[in-house]
Amino acid sequence: EAGVAQSPRYKIIEKRQSVAFWCNPISGHATLYWYQQILGQGPKLLIQFQNNGVVDDSQLPKDRFSAERLKGVDSTLKIQPAKLEDSAVYLCASSYQRLETQYFGPGTRLLVL
Amino acid sequence: KNQVEQSPQSLIILEGKNCTLQCNYTVSPFSNLRWYKQDTGRGPVSLTIMTFSENTKSNGRYTATLDADTKQSSLHITASQLSDSASYICVVSLNDMRFGAGTRLTVKP
Repeated sequence: EAGVAQSPRYKIIEKRQSVAFWCNPISGHATLYWYQQILGQGPKLLIQFQNNGVVDDSQLPKDRFSAERLKGVDSTLKIQPAKLEDSAVYLCASSYQRLETQYFGPGTRLLVL
Repeated sequence: KNQVEQSPQSLIILEGKNCTLQCNYTVSPFSNLRWYKQDTGRGPVSLTIMTFSENTKSNGRYTATLDADTKQSSLHITASQLSDSASYICVVSLNDMRFGAGTRLTVKP
């Protein structure tokens, strides 16, 4: 069974630029999550999708972050414009249903200069 | 205040030794409590999952325990190996998932 795929693995941008991350979850998983993990901290949920609908985006900074999962499969997370404090690892995870075991991708490491 | 607190923040042990990581939570009751292992540069991987009514769950050399009275969970690692060097994250679920900050374990030869 293929795992959760993410790209790119690394990205370096300057502040005020925009960036997009892509995630392809495990086939058949209805729930998809995006997390932000700052060095030395646990993952922080940014947004949760159930199929193509948003379940929870309460911690998503909506003035600069956006995410979509149009066909209920893969998803993109965008930051526009980026700030220095956005430097972090962005993890995508999927699960068969909500609150079941999540399977994480390798993450995208973002550095904002 | 985080609803899931982990201790210690970091730990260094010698290969072959045992260790115990702690997770204190305020979410009670909960649906389940999970321990994840996160290798450097990788996403977390589930080690154990316990429901509110369970008090122990093992996965090889990893044993998780749960004390609902004191709202504590422990992850015990037996006969540590170099590959156990990672961060260990406690996650408590009810209506959503609450992540601890993790314990960074380093196993030295």
